[in-house]
Amino acid sequence: DTAVSQTPKYLVTQMGNDKSIKCEQNLGHDTMYWYKQDSKKFLKIMFSYNNKELIINETVPNRFSPKSPDKAHLNLHINSLELGDSAVYFCASSQEVGGARTDTQYFGPGTRLTVL
Amino acid sequence: LAKTTQPISMDSYEGQEVNITCSHNNIATNDYITWYQQFPSQGPRFIIQGYKTKVTNEVASLFIPADRKSSTLSLPRVSLSDTAVYYCLVGRSGYSTLTFGKGTMLLVSP
Repeated sequence: DTAVSQTPKYLVTQMGNDKSIKCEQNLGHDTMYWYKQDSKKFLKIMFSYNNKELIINETVPNRFSPKSPDKAHLNLHINSLELGDSAVYFCASSQEVGGARTDTQYFGPGTRLTVL
Repeated sequence: LAKTTQPISMDSYEGQEVNITCSHNNIATNDYITWYQQFPSQGPRFIIQGYKTKVTNEVASLFIPADRKSSTLSLPRVSLSDTAVYYCLVGRSGYSTLTFGKGTMLLVSP
């Protein structure tokens, strides 16, 4: 069984469109994340979210919004897509251990978004 | 956030031991050191995590000196399938504290 899954795997769309990427985790984790990996392979956190708190990376445009219908899902909505949004988007999840220890994050396979 | 510095790339041959060193001079007292591996067209995968001295699992070993300003990921007897990008991360629990640097591209040749 896939631990963290994303759909679609590939997404090609026109500038100005609105699109969504879905993410589901079956690990029972309480925290989920969205990352963006650009053409230079830099992997940057966009959002982290659990039932208590949404933390947004301040560099993320407000055209991007996470939606969590339940604990196992964190979807990414993108409005008014721009050329610069083309990248691979990864969803991840973790179980917060608490204290000082860093949570192990489990990543999905990625969604390659191409904006034309 | 503690910044990390790694070599951009490394080359090795099958069967050799590979050591990738990461510098993190401003690591905080409560920070852990975590390494991830990323294959092309896949998401990063957790390899190992440590706080001090040595940690070993079925995949790799992590060596951390007493001052914790650096760490070394050791991959014993690499194979072609170990060709990937390896990321060193320093931080605390979850949320936005995990920052991925540029990583080290390891190329294993026959």
